[in-house]
Amino acid sequence: AQSVTQLDSHVSVSEGTPVLLRCNYSSSYSPSLFWYVQHPNKGLQLLLKYTSAATLVKGINGFEAEFKKSETSFHLTKPSAHMSDAAEYFCVVSQDNQGGKLIFGQGTELSVKP
Amino acid sequence: KAGVTQTPRYLIKTRGQQVTLSCSPISGHRSVSWYQQTPGQGLQFLFEYFSETQRNKGNFPGRFSGRQFSNSRSEMNVSTLELGDSALYLCASSLGQIRIPNTIYFGEGSWLTVV
Repeated sequence: AQSVTQLDSHVSVSEGTPVLLRCNYSSSYSPSLFWYVQHPNKGLQLLLKYTSAATLVKGINGFEAEFKKSETSFHLTKPSAHMSDAAEYFCVVSQDNQGGKLIFGQGTELSVKP
Repeated sequence: KAGVTQTPRYLIKTRGQQVTLSCSPISGHRSVSWYQQTPGQGLQFLFEYFSETQRNKGNFPGRFSGRQFSNSRSEMNVSTLELGDSALYLCASSLGQIRIPNTIYFGEGSWLTVV
C-alpha cells in the first residue's frame, strides 16, 4: 500500500528566506513522486516530478526536491521565498502500475510574510 | 495546447438531487481521473477511466459513478446528493500508460455546494 505524510500542516517564512516543505512516503513498488501547488480557489498545478531518472529534481518557479530512498523522503525546497509562493502544497505518490491513480498527502499551507 | 477543461465551474444543488460534471482532457490523453477535495478529508481518488473503461476505483459509495466517451471526454455523476458531497471535484488527465511514469494534469475543478 502507498501513503504520503506531509510533516507540517502549516509553514510560515519571511520573503527572501528559504522554504522547506517536508514529505515522507511509503510505497511497495517503484514510486513516482510529485509536488503540486494549489492557489486559493484554483486547481492543482504540477511543480515537479520524480520518476527515477535523477534524485535531485528541478521544478518550476525555482523549486527543487530531492528523492532520498534511504529516508523515504521527498522534501521540497526553494532558496528564496516570494510572496506569490503563498499557497497549499501537496506531496503525491503514484505507482507506475496504477495508471492515473494518485495518493495525496494532507497538504502544507505555506504563508510568506513581507 | 488546451489544458484540462471542467464544466460547470460552480453549481448549487439541493439534497436528494443528482448532478453531472464534465471533463475534457488534454488532447491525446486517454486517461481521465476524478478526485474529491474537502477540508476534512483532503484530496481523495474517486475513479479513473481509460479508453472508455473504468480502470481504478476509490472507496466511494455507488452514488458516485462515471463514464468516458470515445473522444476521451468524461462525466461523473452523483445521485441522491447529500450535504457531505459539497466539495471541489477535480478532473485530471494523462496518457495513462502502465509501468511508465505518467505526468498528470489537473483542471480548475467544479465547485459543488449541496443545500
